[in-house]
Amino acid sequence: EVQLLESGGGLVQPGGSLRLSCAASGFTFSSYVMNWVRQAPGRGLEWVSGVSVSGGSTYYADSVEGRFSISRDNSKNTLYLQMNSLRAEDTAIYYCAKGDSGYARHWFDYWGQGTLVTVSS
Amino acid sequence: DIQMTQSPSSLSASVGDRVTITCRASQGISNYLAWYQQKPGKVPKVLIYDASTLQSGVPSRFSGSGSGTDFTLTISSLQPEDVAIYYCQKYNSAPLTFGGGTKVEIK
Repeated sequence: EVQLLESGGGLVQPGGSLRLSCAASGFTFSSYVMNWVRQAPGRGLEWVSGVSVSGGSTYYADSVEGRFSISRDNSKNTLYLQMNSLRAEDTAIYYCAKGDSGYARHWFDYWGQGTLVTVSS
Repeated sequence: DIQMTQSPSSLSASVGDRVTITCRASQGISNYLAWYQQKPGKVPKVLIYDASTLQSGVPSRFSGSGSGTDFTLTISSLQPEDVAIYYCQKYNSAPLTFGGGTKVEIK
């Protein structure tokens, strides 16, 4: 059974940093692209970032480019999102989402339960 | 970047009605489009990928069509358990943009 378990969310002040983790199990982690998707309270889904199977290629939404950094550790079956220079508008539930393949063109077949990030003073 | 526009933003229909949601891409994306369902308080779940392929386990009352810039999600006979927000998403290239969502309610 595929499981994605996010952690690392919490309350942080504007300008602060936070690192999210997503522990994966039930599939060959190193064979699939991985992503982060967020959802602000009462709002729609926003794709944040994606990473290739090797970690060598990364992709970001314009809204987080230069502030967030995605990475993966295939030896630990874990996906990360380093979030710096956080703003109030980054407040959201952050979901880890597994791609359906190892290719750049992929949809999301499994989602974690999410971790809440709140940016507030 | 390619924008994804869904319509309507919300709808209310009776049980048994045929419901259609549209998604328009600002540029052609071939058939690289997925539809997700998010029930209240739940995690999104994929219904359709490659514009028209039904994900395993999804009821056959759901169907998708379209290619290029115009896509539709159809629920052939709306059921109470279909109350949810539906999102389209393009995946031809990054950014993997979602549409704004369509909230479906029972009349």
